[in-house]
Amino acid sequence: SQKIEQNSEALNIQEGKTATLTCNYTNYSPAYLQWYRQDPGRGPVFLLLIRENEKEKRKERLKVTFDTTLKQSLFHITASQPADSATYLCALYNNAGNMLTFGGGTRLMVKP
Amino acid sequence: SQTIHQWPATLVQPVGSPLSLECTVEGTSNPNLYWYRQAAGRGLQLLFYSVGIGQISSEVPQNLSASRPQDRQFILSSKKLLLSDSGFYLCAWTGTYEQYFGPGTRLTVT
Repeated sequence: SQKIEQNSEALNIQEGKTATLTCNYTNYSPAYLQWYRQDPGRGPVFLLLIRENEKEKRKERLKVTFDTTLKQSLFHITASQPADSATYLCALYNNAGNMLTFGGGTRLMVKP
Repeated sequence: SQTIHQWPATLVQPVGSPLSLECTVEGTSNPNLYWYRQAAGRGLQLLFYSVGIGQISSEVPQNLSASRPQDRQFILSSKKLLLSDSGFYLCAWTGTYEQYFGPGTRLTVT
């Protein structure tokens, strides 16, 4: 069956450090992968999309890598700030391309 | 620009009572629309999606139903709520590839 796995344990880091979150998937052949941010009591907000032919994508302090051989994406936040504290979700379309499935998310806590 | 609305924001309902949650989208036409549920501390569970008026696909068998009476309106309903229906309900529409979510409805079934 298709699975998207993210570390369910919270990631605690110190302000200024780089946060790295992992998304692993099985039985998908995604053309692209997406990352979202979700704050408590709010809906997820789209951050980045990376295509299968892109190894890396950057947006301000965010960097995403996509390794279709390892079936893994890494999400980095450099120079992290307490305001970056949130749950981060990765998402993939199913192989039919009509439904977006989300991982369980990883909660990031950045301490000042 | 596109905007997505959901109401009510919060709802407390007794077991066995009916439910109606509404979602409307502005600034786009013929959007693909989705209903998700998120239990406390859990991931997003896709409930229904719709590619057009009157076209509903259900992903999870349950006592919930969805309808799309107008192009930019998506309604989630139940005739009799269960305790397990408690959760955070989110409506979303799809842009090119990404999804845009509404503010959500927090439903507590007592």
